Amino acid sequence: NAGVTQTPKFQVLKTGQSMTLQCAQDMNHNSMYWYRQDPGMGLRLIYYSASEGTTDKGEVPNGYNVSRLNKREFSLRLESAAPSQTSVYFCASRDKSSTDTQYFGPGTRLTVL
Amino acid sequence: TQLLEQSPQFLSIQEGENLTVYCNSSSVFSSLQWYRQEPGEGPVLLVTVVTGGEVKKLKRLTFQFGDARKDSSLHITAAQPGDTGLYLCAGATGSNYKLTFGKGTLLTVNP
Repeated sequence: NAGVTQTPKFQVLKTGQSMTLQCAQDMNHNSMYWYRQDPGMGLRLIYYSASEGTTDKGEVPNGYNVSRLNKREFSLRLESAAPSQTSVYFCASRDKSSTDTQYFGPGTRLTVL
Repeated sequence: TQLLEQSPQFLSIQEGENLTVYCNSSSVFSSLQWYRQEPGEGPVLLVTVVTGGEVKKLKRLTFQFGDARKDSSLHITAAQPGDTGLYLCAGATGSNYKLTFGKGTLLTVNP
């Protein structure tokens, strides 16, 4: 049971380049989330997917797109990266059955030059 | 926009001391969660409080949810170096369980 996995762990992009951050969970959770974490800003929700086939905007969606590929996988795409998107990105999935715990992946550290 | 104000932002104490971290909001949350995050890792859930006035204990950690479900506190007794980390509170709202996070308290416990 790997929990929530994210790839890559580190990435450096040039302004204007595109990339996709991958996230997968093996806990059979319905809901998945993408956050970004910046110093002094806490964790901010970018997009979430309440269930397979649905996605909704969070607090800071501009510049990002998401795809809920299947129940396991939820990807985050940067179409044209900007320096303001330099951050640590976390994916999470939600266990609705117990205490509504969100389980987080180890994060992707992205630098946009 | 719901906000969670967390204080203090930084806390550096000696081993054996007690401390309290506060999480305050003007909004009512259906539940409030406390997470701990270590460098290079994602947050890990410590506890969820649901009922106004609820107190939960986890070894040396005591969590309290305010009567009005707008605020919470985390008290650590006899802190140890292993308690060092970033402590985050998060309030839950809505059926999709979106979490609003505080900015975190970075705790350093010196031996």
